[in-house]
Amino acid sequence: AQSVAQPEDQVNVAEGNPLTVKCTYSVSGNPYLFWYVQYPNRGLQFLLKYITGDNLVKGSYGFEAEFNKSQTSFHLKKPSALVSDSALYFCAVRPRMDSSYKLIFGSGTRLLVRP
Amino acid sequence: NAGVTQTPKFQVLKTGQSMTLQCAQDMNHEYMSWYRQDPGMGLRLIHYSVGAGITDQGEVPNGYNVSRSTTEDFPLRLLSAAPSQTSVYFCASSYSSAGSTDTQYFGPGTRLTVL
Repeated sequence: AQSVAQPEDQVNVAEGNPLTVKCTYSVSGNPYLFWYVQYPNRGLQFLLKYITGDNLVKGSYGFEAEFNKSQTSFHLKKPSALVSDSALYFCAVRPRMDSSYKLIFGSGTRLLVRP
Repeated sequence: NAGVTQTPKFQVLKTGQSMTLQCAQDMNHEYMSWYRQDPGMGLRLIHYSVGAGITDQGEVPNGYNVSRSTTEDFPLRLLSAAPSQTSVYFCASSYSSAGSTDTQYFGPGTRLTVL
């Protein structure tokens, strides 16, 4: 079965420190990879995506993600966390050959940045 | 552009009642979809549409109907609400169904409680 794993329910980091939110996937066929962020009582906002090319993808709000094909991972990173980054982060994967174009989501990781 | 809009924001139903969740987008997107978000499970695809007049089932379609009479609108109907349908519902759209690399943009969500 195809799946996306976000092994940490919550990540705590101090403001100004680097952050990493982990994501691994079990989807065949070189899928497309996405990160979304959800603020309280809001919809999901797109952060970044990996389609092909450079393994390091840069996105919105200073976030970046590193694709590792051998480890089937797509970890989200930011060099210096802000309190305003506190939110729920979802990793999502789209199989290339799926005619529904569905996104397979991880269960989400809550990021808490303390002042 | 208003993007993807959803109404209502909140709804409480009794078991057996029916209702329609509204979704509209003003970006001329071909592809539209409905997801439900449950705690600890990420988002799961209910139904999707690759264009006006075309709909298909996602992962969890039971108890829901959709139609796509226009490009802009994609309503989700609950035929006979059940407590298991208590969830947050998100509508999403993307530019072209043929472009599986396209980013999906999400609406703000509808929080539904079935008593």
